[in-house]
Amino acid sequence: GDSVTQMEGPVTLSEEAFLTINCTYTATGYPSLFWYVQYPGEGLQLLLKATKADDKGSNKGFEATYRKETTSFHLEKGSVQVSDSAVYFCALSEIQGAQKLVFGQGTRLTINP
Amino acid sequence: GAVVSQHPSWVICKSGTSVKIECRSLDFQATTMFWYRQFPKQSLMLMATSNEGSKATYEQGVEKDKFLINHASLTLSTLTVTSAHPEDSSFYICSANNAGTRFNEQYFGPGTRLTVT
Repeated sequence: GDSVTQMEGPVTLSEEAFLTINCTYTATGYPSLFWYVQYPGEGLQLLLKATKADDKGSNKGFEATYRKETTSFHLEKGSVQVSDSAVYFCALSEIQGAQKLVFGQGTRLTINP
Repeated sequence: GAVVSQHPSWVICKSGTSVKIECRSLDFQATTMFWYRQFPKQSLMLMATSNEGSKATYEQGVEKDKFLINHASLTLSTLTVTSAHPEDSSFYICSANNAGTRFNEQYFGPGTRLTVT
């Protein structure tokens, strides 16, 4: 079945550092790919998405590119802020059918001032 | 817009009792809602897909008689944990599928923390 694998956390960085959170997937079809963020005490929020190969999703300074050849969707940000501290989930959804989301295990990110 | 609420946000119950959790889409209609379970420091595991007016579709390994799901309207789905046991203690999260968006985007509720004593 479909699956998503994220780099294990926790990840701790200093403010203004460069961030990469790796995500790879396996899928039988051509899924849509997502990054969700869960801030402390809040529900998951969609951060960005990409629906086909070579698409780049971007939001709030975060970017991720849908790489079909490497089945990856790595999340990057050039300069992180303390407010970016959260848990980040990579996920996929098959376009057809019930559009269920399959999540990676989540990566906890802490940014120190 | 696109807000999903859950009630209660946390609940403590005794072993053997039943607990109902509500999931509401506040400003859109959701023909499909999803129920997830999240263990500490782990990912979200899909439990079931809830479709308005029809029976829920449960994922493999999820007991449908234990986790009763009802999707009676386009804005409300409920999850009832029957005869709860301590191993049912977890964080339960719902999401609602906004069919009005281009890619049927899912919006998540804030979650309900269930503790069974």
